[in-house]
Amino acid sequence: NAGVTQTPKFQVLKTGQSMTLQCAQDMNHNSMYWYRQDPGMGLRLIYYSASEGTTDKGEVPNGYNVSRLNKREFSLRLESAAPSQTSVYFCASRALAGGPDTGELFFGEGSRLTVL
Amino acid sequence: AQSVTQLDSQVPVFEEAPVELRCNYSSSVSVYLFWYVQYPNQGLQLLLKYLSGSTLVKGINGFEAEFNKSQTSFHLRKPSVHISDTAEYFCAVRVIKAAGNKLTFGGGTRVLVKP
Repeated sequence: NAGVTQTPKFQVLKTGQSMTLQCAQDMNHNSMYWYRQDPGMGLRLIYYSASEGTTDKGEVPNGYNVSRLNKREFSLRLESAAPSQTSVYFCASRALAGGPDTGELFFGEGSRLTVL
Repeated sequence: AQSVTQLDSQVPVFEEAPVELRCNYSSSVSVYLFWYVQYPNQGLQLLLKYLSGSTLVKGINGFEAEFNKSQTSFHLRKPSVHISDTAEYFCAVRVIKAAGNKLTFGGGTRVLVKP
């Protein structure tokens, strides 16, 4: 099982360039999330999508946009990259509770982005 | 709003020694609690979780954690570590019944197991 797949795994951008991080899950999960990971700060939520057709801002949404393309795919776009967006980005997904809501998230392997 | 503090950013430990990773949280409402592990160059995977019931929770790879409501803590322990336990560990909380299942993570504790 692939689980949560992110592409690309590595990317180097120049300031002002744009790019899209792709995420797909094959677990039929309803909710999907984008986090960024910075040293000493843990993971911070950028955007999330509770279900297909909905998206909401997280803790650090500025400079990002998202698209929930269908139930499987949730992309993150940087329109004009800045050095402060150098980070490791993680996509995650979660099943809608059919029983006890465990809240467990399933993570991709991450996308390491450097903005020069 | 809730917050999570992991009191140690790095913990060096010798192989077969015990380890404890400390986690404190603040929240005005009831929460679920989680520990995740991140091995080098990988994503996060769930170690264990506390939802309700017994305050001592056992997870994968011999880890356990104890929920202490009065001290708002959820410390992670392992009695004897292996080299393969070298990883970064994250404590996380989720407010029960909050929309969107937003997890709030601590800053992480990097465990380095020495031979």
